Amino acid sequence: DAGITQSPRHKVTETGTPVTLRCHQTENHRYMYWYRQDPGHGLRLIHYSYGVKDTDKGEVSDGYSVSRSKTEDFLLTLESATSSQTSVYFCAISRTGGTDTQYFGPGTRLTVL
Amino acid sequence: GESVGLHLPTLSVQEGDNSIINCAYSNSASDYFIWYKQESGKGPQFIIDIRSNMDKRQGQRVTVLLNKTVKHLSLQIAATQPGDSAVYFCAEPLFFDNYGQNFVFGPGTRLSVLP
Repeated sequence: DAGITQSPRHKVTETGTPVTLRCHQTENHRYMYWYRQDPGHGLRLIHYSYGVKDTDKGEVSDGYSVSRSKTEDFLLTLESATSSQTSVYFCAISRTGGTDTQYFGPGTRLTVL
Repeated sequence: GESVGLHLPTLSVQEGDNSIINCAYSNSASDYFIWYKQESGKGPQFIIDIRSNMDKRQGQRVTVLLNKTVKHLSLQIAATQPGDSAVYFCAEPLFFDNYGQNFVFGPGTRLSVLP
């Protein structure tokens, strides 16, 4: 998985609780991304980062926030989890923007009860 | 809007046969495409890419064909093996700002290899 780890790998939580997912890379890539994957849908971008403290919204950013204080770490926070946020979350990295290939982590399966 | 899609959601092939997975795209300006493989419980894995100035690109046992006239991609896997069983996605870039890009991913085709 191209030097990308995600933690936790599985999490079950209750509606209304805050949740933070972590992505850690050892490739020193500039760009990092958070996606969610749901049945019947392709991967959908939540937020992305183009450098330390530089982030922006993706297609499905409502209810999510991110932070990147170090090159190697990108955090995704659900401030108040809802059942609609039950999904598999993938982190991806790429060296540059443009048409550079994205490499994915192993994923985190989140269940919100 | 622009979209990337797949013709077949599932495909079953006999071990040793060739597999062909198809993908249609709607943005005629797209100039780059990627195929990913996703095994159960794992993240997507890059397989092969192709730029629009090419019609064909070959890798190890895989070939991607691009038909810009009909906006169609295909991934061909030669001598399909049990380890090829997975979901396959095509993706094209979607530029949305000055700093980066995103990919539009199709929902995927599940390839099942029969013994």
